[in-house]
Amino acid sequence: QVQLVQSGAEVKKPGASVKVSCKASGYTFTGYYMHWVRQAPGQGLEWMGRINPNSGGTNYAQKFQGRVTMTRDTSISTAYMELSRLRSDDTAVYYCARSSPQYSYGYDYWGQGTLVTVSS
Amino acid sequence: SYVLTQPPSVSVAPGQTARITCGGNNIGSKSVHWYQQKPGQAPVLVVYDDSDRPSGIPERFSGSNSGNTATLTISRVEAGDEADYYCQVWDSSSDHPNVVFGGGTKLTVL
Repeated sequence: QVQLVQSGAEVKKPGASVKVSCKASGYTFTGYYMHWVRQAPGQGLEWMGRINPNSGGTNYAQKFQGRVTMTRDTSISTAYMELSRLRSDDTAVYYCARSSPQYSYGYDYWGQGTLVTVSS
Repeated sequence: SYVLTQPPSVSVAPGQTARITCGGNNIGSKSVHWYQQKPGQAPVLVVYDDSDRPSGIPERFSGSNSGNTATLTISRVEAGDEADYYCQVWDSSSDHPNVVFGGGTKLTVL
């Protein structure tokens, strides 16, 4: 069965960086784009960007350009999202989500979420 | 940038029909997906491509999309349907294509 398992919660200081991992299993990792979506406490969903695990090509939301880097390691079927120069308003749950052509590129599987807390 | 507008809240009695709207400029020309999110959980895709249901989603969930409004309809609402609902599109209209989510609607079952 398809699973996306994310790394554990992180606490960071303002100005630091965080790297969240998303390990995929149960399907061909290189066959589906992986997206990253975040959700601040009590707020809605916010798209951060996507990576093509096959080519490594990325598209980032303009808001995060210059601060976010998405990478992947196909040998271990894992996608990564690194966010730098963290601010308090980056405190959020970060999700990876698989985009499926079967569902017109809607997100059919999500990771469990990783809480990143930014606090001095 | 493209904006999707949802009502913050919708309330409905059990057994009745809930309709959650998602407004956007000419949204009828886009493919709309809908997600259900319960507290402390990741979102779940309940409708894709305007009106199709993924496997395992009850037939009570349906969708439509025309003009400037997409609608998620939940028939015979149950207590377990109480959740936040988000619409989502892929916006390729600018030089910087991206995914857009609506602000979310909290469905309360009275």
